[in-house]
Formats: sequence, C-alpha cells, structure tokens
Amino acid sequence: TQTVSQSDAHVTVFEGDSVELRCNYSYGGSIYLSWYIQHHGRGLQFLLKYYSGNPVVQGVNGFEAEFSKSDSSFHLRKASVHWSDSAVYFCAASMNTGYQNFYFGKGTSLTVIP
Amino acid sequence: EAAVTQSPRNKVAVTGGKVTLSCNQTNNHNNMYWYRQDTGHGLRLIHYSYGAGSTEKGDIPDGYKASRPSQENFSLILELATPSQTSVYFCASGDAYSSYEQYFGPGTRLTVL
Repeated sequence: TQTVSQSDAHVTVFEGDSVELRCNYSYGGSIYLSWYIQHHGRGLQFLLKYYSGNPVVQGVNGFEAEFSKSDSSFHLRKASVHWSDSAVYFCAASMNTGYQNFYFGKGTSLTVIP
Repeated sequence: EAAVTQSPRNKVAVTGGKVTLSCNQTNNHNNMYWYRQDTGHGLRLIHYSYGAGSTEKGDIPDGYKASRPSQENFSLILELATPSQTSVYFCASGDAYSSYEQYFGPGTRLTVL
C-alpha cells in the first residue's frame, strides 16, 4: 500500500517570503513523485517530477522540490512567492511508470498576501 | 490551445437519471483518467484507460462506467446518478511511460439533486 500525506492543509505567507510545502510518502520501493498546482476553478497543472538522480529538481515559475529517501519526503519550495502563487498544491506518487497506482495527497492551500 | 477539454463544464442532474461526462484530448496520449475531487479527499481515481477500446477500474469505480471509443475521447457514465456523486470531475491524459506527468482538463461540476 502506498500513501501520500501533506501535513499542512493551509499555509499563509506574505509576498516575497519563502515557502516550503511538505509531502511525505510511505512506500519502500522505487517511486515516482510529482507536484501539481491547482488554481481556483481550474484543472491541475504539472509542476515537476522526480524519479532518480539529483534529489533537487527544478520546476516552472521558480519552484523546486527535494527528495529525501531517509525522510520519505518530497517537499516543494520557493524562495520568493508572488501573490499569483496562491493555489492548492498536490503531491502525487506512483510506484511505476504505468497508468495505475498513482496517488494524490489531499492538497495544501497556499495563500500569499500581497 | 487547451489540450484536454471536458463537457459539459457544469451539470445538474436528478437522482436516478443518466449522466455522461465527455473528455477529449489532443495530446495523442495513450492513457486517460477520470478522477473526482471532493473536499477532504483530494483526487480519487475512478476509471482509466490505456488506449482505444480499453477501460480499467480505479480506486472508486462503483456506480460509474467508462468508455474509450477512440484515442482522443474518454467518457464517464453514471447510469443511475445519486446525490453522493455530486462532485467535481477531472479528466486527464498521460503518456504510457510517464503516468506521473498527467495533463488535466478544466473539470466538470456535477450536482445531483
């Protein structure tokens, strides 16, 4: 069984602050990890992914995420947020490259105060 | 131009009625997915498909059917809609070898009265 947990349901920061959105997974084998962003009333948009190699991966709009096998984590970070980064962020995990076993966390709502 | 489109965008149905949600993708992806999104549950996989003519059950398939008549189209069918199926439904497409990178449609808000 594989699960993805996002411990913070809501995060509020000021524009220009740094932010870290946390994601932890429970699975002992090889895993594919992704982050998605969902603006209000829209579908999810792919941000970045990790499978192997450099544990820090870069995504669009200045986002990056760091994989840690020891912590079973894949936290998303941004050094300086903009008000337009306000959205819900979903972490997702898959055990393989197939079309099944793709699990989403419950999401973290990020509010950026201008 | 949007690569994954859904119709209708909003739908109100009556209990016991039949509802069909449609999805079209121009990504030429083999895989397509139907999810529902509910507060407190995140996204849950209902059905998926790995090509024309195939449909597979996801995590919560009960009460839903799916149809994939072509590479581009994937429908979700509620034969007897119930109020518990009130939700926002998302369709997504993905390459056969990278299911962790999916492309989502804008969603359909379904209300069953």
